[in-house]
Amino acid sequence: GQQVMQIPQYQHVQEGEDFTTYCNSSTTLSNIQWYKQRPGGHPVFLIQLVKSGEVKKQKRLTFQFGEAKKNSSLHITATQTTDVGTYFCAGVADYKLSFGAGTTVTVRA
Amino acid sequence: NAGVMQNPRHLVRRRGQEARLRCSPMKGHSHVYWYRQLPEEGLKFMVYLQKENIIDESGMPKERFSAEFPKEGPSILRIQQVVRGDSAAYFCASSPSSAYEQYFGPGTRLTVT
Repeated sequence: GQQVMQIPQYQHVQEGEDFTTYCNSSTTLSNIQWYKQRPGGHPVFLIQLVKSGEVKKQKRLTFQFGEAKKNSSLHITATQTTDVGTYFCAGVADYKLSFGAGTTVTVRA
Repeated sequence: NAGVMQNPRHLVRRRGQEARLRCSPMKGHSHVYWYRQLPEEGLKFMVYLQKENIIDESGMPKERFSAEFPKEGPSILRIQQVVRGDSAAYFCASSPSSAYEQYFGPGTRLTVT
């Protein structure tokens, strides 16, 4: 079955630094979604990427969908304490959404 | 437009009791998904339902767990004869169609004592 892998599992970042989290699928995806879950909260939809090679930006967050539609990345610049949480990617193949295990981000002030 | 609602938010059950978790999807959403999340772990898919139909229950244990989404009323996730290993956060999500973004409820935190 479809598997979505995310790395790294944990990311400890100094405030102000940049980091990237990666998502890889074992199958070609029709689209990929990203969610953020704050500590103690529930996942919240951030963005969806559909086209091969698509790049979308939300302020300091840049999302990219690979050319082969099997991988994606989330890059955060100038990390802030508000970026703390777990970022999940979710790959869509057929009707099914498969979540990666998430990257949990902590920020050192 | 109210978001996805789940109740109760916290549920404590003793071993052997039944747990009933409710989820009301967003207005206009007919697709409901249930996920389980253990502390410090990711979201594990359990079941996908549309009104009156179970579409995919491949992530749900075959025993003690069941789910329904009746024509009227909320979706219910039912866990019979709970054990300590069932302690987790259970999230419900809804979407207007399959493969669309999912909107999550606040979750039900189940504790089995």
